[in-house]
Amino acid sequence: EIVMTQSPATLSVSPGERVTLSCRASQSVGSNLAWYQQKPGQAPRLLIYGASTRATVIPARFSGSGSGTDFTLTISNLQSEDFALYYCHQYNTWSTFGQGTKVEIK
Amino acid sequence: QVHLVESGGGVVQPGRSLRLSCAASGFTFSAYDMLWVRQTPGKGLEWVAVISSDGNSGYYIDSVKGRFTISKDNSKNTLSLQMNSLRPEDTAVYYCARAAVVGPPYWFDPWGQGTLVTVSS
Repeated sequence: EIVMTQSPATLSVSPGERVTLSCRASQSVGSNLAWYQQKPGQAPRLLIYGASTRATVIPARFSGSGSGTDFTLTISNLQSEDFALYYCHQYNTWSTFGQGTKVEIK
Repeated sequence: QVHLVESGGGVVQPGRSLRLSCAASGFTFSAYDMLWVRQTPGKGLEWVAVISSDGNSGYYIDSVKGRFTISKDNSKNTLSLQMNSLRPEDTAVYYCARAAVVGPPYWFDPWGQGTLVTVSS
């Protein structure tokens, strides 16, 4: 099973800042990586697939990069609605999720 | 608009059974693989079961093999998960999700709102 490790576990940031979330795979997953956002009481919402392709209606302030084993999700100009949990998900060798990064208000 | 709505969660005693359902709308249900994904505070997100678009092939994580059965009714646009011999560690929010594209590899999109299953005496 491919293990996905996200860091940090928690990020404390202020609105308007830029944040970078990391996700590392225990072996190469190519570009078969997705990012999801989850708010309390809600289902995960797709942000990025194919490591860098934004899903429909996702604002341009969200961007993804990386391939192989190292990936990043960058949120520019953080808005109040962006404070949430973020998960990476490899779907190259079936499916495993990272444990999540919480982006909280500083 | 693609929509998935789960039902059937609740509180159940260990060893008992529960059946979850997911009503799908807004897309050609018969064209997509479908999944159940669960979420717990301890283990996070993990896929539980996946079924092929035609409903003929199901796959499971090891911890539920032999206890859970996934099924798909393409005539009724409904996905189900029959959960038998439930254990406390099956306690989770269960999400119905669609394969985002036809055929693997695929990410999951969209997801239903989730239904809580609590296994406790």
